[in-house]
Amino acid sequence: GAVVSQHPSWVICKSGTSVKIECRSLDFQATTMFWYRQFPKQSLMLMATSNEGSKATYEQGVEKDKFLINHASLTLSTLTVTSAHPEDSSFYICSARDGGGQRYIFMNTEAFFGQGTRLTVV
Amino acid sequence: AQTVTQSQPEMSVQEAETVTLSCTYDTSESNYYLFWYKQPPSRQMILVIRQEAYKQQNATENRFSVNFQKAAKSFSLKISDSQLGDTAMYFCAFMTYTGANSKLTFGKGITLSVRP
Repeated sequence: GAVVSQHPSWVICKSGTSVKIECRSLDFQATTMFWYRQFPKQSLMLMATSNEGSKATYEQGVEKDKFLINHASLTLSTLTVTSAHPEDSSFYICSARDGGGQRYIFMNTEAFFGQGTRLTVV
Repeated sequence: AQTVTQSQPEMSVQEAETVTLSCTYDTSESNYYLFWYKQPPSRQMILVIRQEAYKQQNATENRFSVNFQKAAKSFSLKISDSQLGDTAMYFCAFMTYTGANSKLTFGKGITLSVRP
């Protein structure tokens, strides 16, 4: 399957600072990327959907000014947690879907996930 | 809106035995996709198996198979010959395909422990 690389795997930052998380599709063009948040032993909560070259679509209740998403190229999306606070500590996961067109319609149903980033705000 | 329900929070199975994980969903759509994802302690999400709603035949992938009951909106996962490496959290997920922005709706997940 396709590979999605997420970096960093873990990060510790001070309260009030900003942290950037990168999500890269290594061997395919990801026209759409998704950002999730996951608390321990809980399910994945979709935060936003990003499309290359356009503004991200945020889920209800997600602060777009706190969680800045940029999808500047077909292989890279970034999530920046601005002015981080301890309550932002969580596991963040990205996923990407191959925008291969109609001939890859089956593959287009599969979302490939990054390894996740554990964010701790102290 | 679609919902996915996994009512069992935890299950345990003896190595080499068979275990079935339950999942129900609710939707008014007729065409959709169902998935089971595995999340081991590494927390990497891994696709286990996928089922297209228009297919009557149940999907199988080696030791993993599903029992897809469309009328009952049920999608259970059977793991045969359980192995220690199957210990993980398992998520049932639903998706209606509307293009590249199609979203996955996840259930709450079930923690499966395989005992040696």
